[in-house]
Amino acid sequence: TQLLEQSPQFLSIQEGENLTVYCNSSSVFSSLQWYRQEPGEGPVLLVTVVTGGEVKKLKRLTFQFGDARKDSSLHITAAQPGDTGLYLCAGVSGNEKLTFGTGTRLTIIP
Amino acid sequence: ETGVTQTPRHLVMGMTNKKSLKCEQHLGHNAMYWYKQSAKKPLELMFVYSLEERVENNSVPSRFSPECPNSSHLFLHLHTLQPEDSALYLCASSPFPAGGADTQYFGPGTRLTVL
Repeated sequence: TQLLEQSPQFLSIQEGENLTVYCNSSSVFSSLQWYRQEPGEGPVLLVTVVTGGEVKKLKRLTFQFGDARKDSSLHITAAQPGDTGLYLCAGVSGNEKLTFGTGTRLTIIP
Repeated sequence: ETGVTQTPRHLVMGMTNKKSLKCEQHLGHNAMYWYKQSAKKPLELMFVYSLEERVENNSVPSRFSPECPNSSHLFLHLHTLQPEDSALYLCASSPFPAGGADTQYFGPGTRLTVL
């Protein structure tokens, strides 16, 4: 069974600070997706990274896929209250199965 | 309506009740999914339908019964549930038949409480 561990599980920081959350596995994935889920809503896809070592930027969010395609990180610069939510990573395996991570619940304090 | 809609948004039921969750997608997609999201577990895939045929059932108890009458609608019929079945049930759709690499579009979920 493939397992994606996300850390930290909970993170609460002040507006304007920077943060990084992690998604780690012992399995190799063909690609990895990051979702954000706001209260009362379903997850929304933010980005897909495909190539080992790939870095993608989405405004203040920077996503990186590990060289070995087993891990990923999400860095947020100058966090804003609108960034509050549950961040989920999801790995796509060779047989195209999608495995979700344990999630990081982020709270940005105004 | 656009995207993926789910009804009801909240449901409270006793263990002997029978109820159904409904999902509708307005995106013209060919694959639909049911997920269970519990407080302390990762999102769990329950069922996958591709072109209205069930292609995956991840060992879900028979008290959950899915139905996909057409490519736009998906139901989850519930009967004799247990309190541990209380969770957020999410529906999703994707453009192509059941490829995990496809972007999945999620509905807002049904918050189910089993008493």
